[in-house]
Amino acid sequence: DVKVTQSSRYLVKRTGEKVFLECVQDMDHENMFWYRQDPGLGLRLIYFSYDVKMKEKGDIPEGYSVSREKKERFSLILESASTNQTSMYLCASSSPSGVRGYNEQFFGPGTRLTVL
Amino acid sequence: AQSVTQPDIHITVSEGASLELRCNYSYGATPYLFWYVQSPGQGLQLLLKYFSGDTLVQGIKGFEAEFKRSQSSFNLRKPSVHWSDAAEYFCAVGNTDKLIFGTGTRLQVFP
Repeated sequence: DVKVTQSSRYLVKRTGEKVFLECVQDMDHENMFWYRQDPGLGLRLIYFSYDVKMKEKGDIPEGYSVSREKKERFSLILESASTNQTSMYLCASSSPSGVRGYNEQFFGPGTRLTVL
Repeated sequence: AQSVTQPDIHITVSEGASLELRCNYSYGATPYLFWYVQSPGQGLQLLLKYFSGDTLVQGIKGFEAEFKRSQSSFNLRKPSVHWSDAAEYFCAVGNTDKLIFGTGTRLQVFP
């Protein structure tokens, strides 16, 4: 059973703070993803990593950075949190699409971040 | 550009009634299509997926979906809804390693 875990379910931070969201997967997946979920907007991709130390910007990377030093761990960093980054953050992992020709993603439970 | 449209933001049904959630996609090649469900306070769980072959696919929890290439649709159905099906449902299309999600449909179930 694939397990994707996220370090916190709920987080409250102040404007200007540096925020780290951590994600760990136990299925040896090459791909890892960070999404942001807002009502009426669905899931929007922030960053994608296809290997250790490799990353690719998604649709909304502004204000975020990521780190992937180990295959199982993918961190999302808010360098200086702002109130418009209050949201639900979801992490996911998958095998590369070339392995079996598909790209099913497995999701963590999410972190609800509030920036005051 | 690839995209997914879920035209219904919110649907309300009575327990025991049938359900159909709509999904339309725009994608140049043969799509990989997915339906995910998100229960309150939870992450997303895969309900079913379509890659090729039989256009009617069965998923978990009694759900099924039909791929119609001529209509660019992948609608989700369930013949009899249970109160525990109340959740948000997301349709997605695979784009190499990434997924493009629709904006979701929130399902409310009345007893």
